[in-house]
Amino acid sequence: GAGVSQTPSNKVTEKGKYVELRCDPISGHTALYWYRQSLGQGPEFLIYFQGTGAADDSGLPNDRFFAVRPEGSVSTLKIQRTERGDSAVYLCASSLFGLQETQYFGPGTRLLVL
Amino acid sequence: AQSVTQLGSHVSVSEGALVLLRCNYSSSVPPYLFWYVQYPNQGLQLLLKYTSAATLVKGINGFEAEFKKSETSFHLTKPSAHMSDAAEYFCAVSDQDTGRRALTFGSGTRLQVQP
Repeated sequence: GAGVSQTPSNKVTEKGKYVELRCDPISGHTALYWYRQSLGQGPEFLIYFQGTGAADDSGLPNDRFFAVRPEGSVSTLKIQRTERGDSAVYLCASSLFGLQETQYFGPGTRLLVL
Repeated sequence: AQSVTQLGSHVSVSEGALVLLRCNYSSSVPPYLFWYVQYPNQGLQLLLKYTSAATLVKGINGFEAEFKKSETSFHLTKPSAHMSDAAEYFCAVSDQDTGRRALTFGSGTRLQVQP
């Protein structure tokens, strides 16, 4: 079956611009996660949705970052007033409900802020 | 807070040699533990996971890992390396104690396989 998909695969923007990154989870997965992976590092947690609500947004670095999942399926990560330090690969994952459930990752969106 | 330490950012082995990638976690309550592999320009793929059942966990592609509570370790092994195993490997934990679902990842180990 289809895995987690993310669009765009690459995004180049200028400092100060607004960007949206989209994640389409595996059908039937109620949990959705966003992570950020900087060069040479492991992924770092940003936010977790259970259904439509953000159950844990403790990883968002500041209020320029925001994410929504209005219908409990597709999610959009929004970054306002982008900074060069936001350049990274943004990974989305989805899973069934349950702490031990496997998180399935998408290919990521590579964001470059010039 | 949970932390994961992967000793060795780069490991190089010869084809056919034993692969050993190290992972230690910090929690006093055994967490759920995962190993993921990341091939260039691809997403993370689950190799195996430990969820409080058998301490020796077998995964895909001939990999296995053993949970050792006394050593707070979950090292990944494969008896015989193949060229196709060259990739980046990440150990991750989820916090069974707090129920927090976010995974905490190690910084990764890049495996090189020499012919």
